[in-house]
Amino acid sequence: GAGVSQSPSNKVTEKGKDVELRCDPISGHTALYWYRQSLGQGLEFLIYFQGNSAPDKSGLPSDRFSAERTGGSVSTLTIQRTQQEDSAVYLCASSFGQAEGYTFGSGTRLTVV
Amino acid sequence: SQQGEEDPQALSIQEGENATMNCSYKTSINNLQWYRQNSGRGLVHLILIRSNEREKHSGRLRVTLDTSKKSSSLLITASRAADTASYFCATDKGGNNRLAFGKGNQVVVIP
Repeated sequence: GAGVSQSPSNKVTEKGKDVELRCDPISGHTALYWYRQSLGQGLEFLIYFQGNSAPDKSGLPSDRFSAERTGGSVSTLTIQRTQQEDSAVYLCASSFGQAEGYTFGSGTRLTVV
Repeated sequence: SQQGEEDPQALSIQEGENATMNCSYKTSINNLQWYRQNSGRGLVHLILIRSNEREKHSGRLRVTLDTSKKSSSLLITASRAADTASYFCATDKGGNNRLAFGKGNQVVVIP
């Protein structure tokens, strides 16, 4: 596609429920990243996929968070048993790989009530 | 200035003035990038400067990099109301292949 597409744009969920966030990167981009941003804060790295390599999961804050990337394209970030501190904007980005600028999606604003 | 542990900085200027913001980092880098964010959503890539470059221009943007001081600056010349945004620097250290972002500088351009 022309850009990185994320869905849904907004999600309100009850504490304890599971949520899935989707990211459709730019076609041909081999690298895909997930970050999250709490209100007024910088970007916190979550997970990184590069081609067929094992993902870098070092930023996932707990085992309630997981992500997959199917067929080297679309990625899904899953948060199980959501907590209020999970409320944030979840940003996905893709790039051609190392040492290249990222193209970000518009993010998913997650609110856990 | 931005770095991992500092609070975001805020800058308010009149339209037409220049805006300068700074970023510092702690380790060696392959490149440093600047991004703009409007309304707390997706970031837009502005400019990338490699570790062997000292200055780079793109339209009204000028970026400098001083690797000896581990710092970078972003200058926006002749600012416009549309430049109102948060500006983030991000460093690529190589190896782990993902960017580390600063906490951002908020810029408000008053018409």
